[in-house]
Amino acid sequence: KNEVEQSPQNLTAQEGEFITINCSYSVGISALHWLQQHPGGGIVSLFMLSSGKKKHGRLIASIYLQEKHSSLHITASHPRDSAVYICAAPLGGTDKLIFGTGTRLQVFP
Amino acid sequence: EPEVTQTPSHQVTQMGQEVILRCVPISNHLYFYWYRQILGQKVEFLVSFYNNEISEKSEIFDDQFSVERPDGSNFTLKIRSTKLEDSAMYFCASSGPVRETQYFGPGTRLLVL
Repeated sequence: KNEVEQSPQNLTAQEGEFITINCSYSVGISALHWLQQHPGGGIVSLFMLSSGKKKHGRLIASIYLQEKHSSLHITASHPRDSAVYICAAPLGGTDKLIFGTGTRLQVFP
Repeated sequence: EPEVTQTPSHQVTQMGQEVILRCVPISNHLYFYWYRQILGQKVEFLVSFYNNEISEKSEIFDDQFSVERPDGSNFTLKIRSTKLEDSAMYFCASSGPVRETQYFGPGTRLLVL
């Protein structure tokens, strides 16, 4: 079965902490997306990774293709980072994204 | 900054009624998508659209669903005869020729009574 799994499901942190969210998938993929869903429901695309690592501000995403695993890190976390973080992978060669269930992050001041 | 827009933001309808959800993708984008998210569940792919035709669709996207790009700017999702289980948030997204990033609209929350 094609699956994208995330851990942890819920994460709480104090402001300033380093955050890691993990994503694993069961099929070969060409790329992996990390998305952020705000409390109001809106979705923002953070990264699309096909190999290696990408950095944008305090966010770093890495993908390990052979291990079928990706991580999203947030350095110096801030309450405004509180959101649901979702990874999604396209079934090979298609536009059909399979989504993880998301990781709900709450950062407290 | 260009953005994807969706209308309406909320829609309430009676079971069996037709609904049309509208999206205006980013103007130079070529690939268009619809997703849905039932409350408390994960986001699910419905359909992708390129060059005026469906390129991929999921098992959810049955004969009750259709998509159209009636003019150069709008991209619509029609549900012909709504069911209670169609209640969800529907997101439209678009991406450019490289398809690296999908830009999501704010969503339409559909409630079927």
